[in-house]
Amino acid sequence: DIQMTQSPSTLSASVGDRVTITCRASQSISSWLAWYQQKPGKAPKLLIYKASSLESGVPSRFSGSGSGTEFTLTISSLQPDDFATYYCQQYNSYEFTFGPGTKVDIK
Amino acid sequence: EVQLVESGGGLVQPGGSLRLSCAASGFTFSSYWMSWVRQAPGKGLEWVANIKQDGSEKYYVDSVKGRFTISRDNAKNSLYLQMNSLRAEDTAVYYCARDRGAYFVAAAGNFDYWGQGTLVTVSS
Repeated sequence: DIQMTQSPSTLSASVGDRVTITCRASQSISSWLAWYQQKPGKAPKLLIYKASSLESGVPSRFSGSGSGTEFTLTISSLQPDDFATYYCQQYNSYEFTFGPGTKVDIK
Repeated sequence: EVQLVESGGGLVQPGGSLRLSCAASGFTFSSYWMSWVRQAPGKGLEWVANIKQDGSEKYYVDSVKGRFTISRDNAKNSLYLQMNSLRAEDTAVYYCARDRGAYFVAAAGNFDYWGQGTLVTVSS
């Protein structure tokens, strides 16, 4: 199985900050990576698929990059609505696996 | 509007069974791979199983193989998860999720719509 790791596990930031979250895969997954945002008590929301494609309706301040085993999610200017937990997910091969999550909270 | 509504969760004793349902609306259900994803309390996300549009292919995470069965009824726009031999570690919110991409021969593997989830608690 492909293992996913994320860093940091928690990130404290202020509104307007540029935020970067890193996701690493235990083996190459090409660009088969998605990013999700989840708020407490809510279902996850797809932000990015195929490593860098922005899902329809997602603000352009979110961007993704990377390929192979290292990926990043960047929020160019953090907004109040962005305080949440972010998960990466590989779908290169079964079993699809998620990273452990990165919680973005208020500094 | 795409909607996925799960039901069937509840409290069950270890070794017991439960059947989850997911009612889909607002899209052509029979055109999409569908998945179940779960989240233990305070923990991360875990993909559980998926099923092809016509039910001909099904895949499971190792920890549920032989105990859980995913199925669908396209005439009823419904997805199911039959869970047998339940264990404490199966306690989680179970989400129904739609694969991003219609008519794909292979699962896209990422999920653009999710239900609100249904809580399964396995405890004596």
